[in-house]
Amino acid sequence: ILNVEQSPQSLHVQEGDSTNFTCSFPSSNFYALHWYRWETAKSPEALFVMTLNGDEKKKGRISATLNTKEGYSYLYIKGSQPEDSATYLCASPTYNQGGKLIFGQGTELSVKP
Amino acid sequence: DTGVSQNPRHKITKRGQNVTFRCDPISEHNRLYWYRQTLGQGPEFLTYFQNEAQLEKSRLLSDRFSAERPKGSFSTLEIQRTEQGDSAMYLCASSFGGGHETQYFGPGTRLLVL
Repeated sequence: ILNVEQSPQSLHVQEGDSTNFTCSFPSSNFYALHWYRWETAKSPEALFVMTLNGDEKKKGRISATLNTKEGYSYLYIKGSQPEDSATYLCASPTYNQGGKLIFGQGTELSVKP
Repeated sequence: DTGVSQNPRHKITKRGQNVTFRCDPISEHNRLYWYRQTLGQGPEFLTYFQNEAQLEKSRLLSDRFSAERPKGSFSTLEIQRTEQGDSAMYLCASSFGGGHETQYFGPGTRLLVL
């Protein structure tokens, strides 16, 4: 059974701080890893889809790395802003099972001005 | 096309009533997924369609739940005889293909069963 874990569950930082979260997943039968940002009252927004070991992707101040051999991905936010406050979700699709996503429980980030 | 839409955004109902939610995916997407999210948890898979065919249902989807996607366009999720445990956010997503294809989510329908 595919199990995706995220840590920490919540994080409170000051504006300007850099922060990072962890997503861990089984390294066997790895297929892909998705990162989403979910702001209150909005749709979850796709940030990255990562497939290759050693992958590093960047979108503005947000970047992510992937280690498929040890089964983890890091999401980094440089210079956090209040508008970064959201729940960050990672998810892995089940290989050869239609692409349904198995989500972690999310990391809730709060950035104080 | 402005993305995936869901209606209603909020629904309050009494226990035992039936409710129906609608999802309109991005028009060219052939796959449509339903997920449910409860407080403190990540979204959990319920079911998915490829075009009009429902290809998988989670064991979370009891007999009281039914989903359809007539003509491979919009989808409906119906819950019969609602229970308080059905209170959750119901999310719909669509994609073109599966696996490493990005799934685009709607804003969800928040259900509260009193």
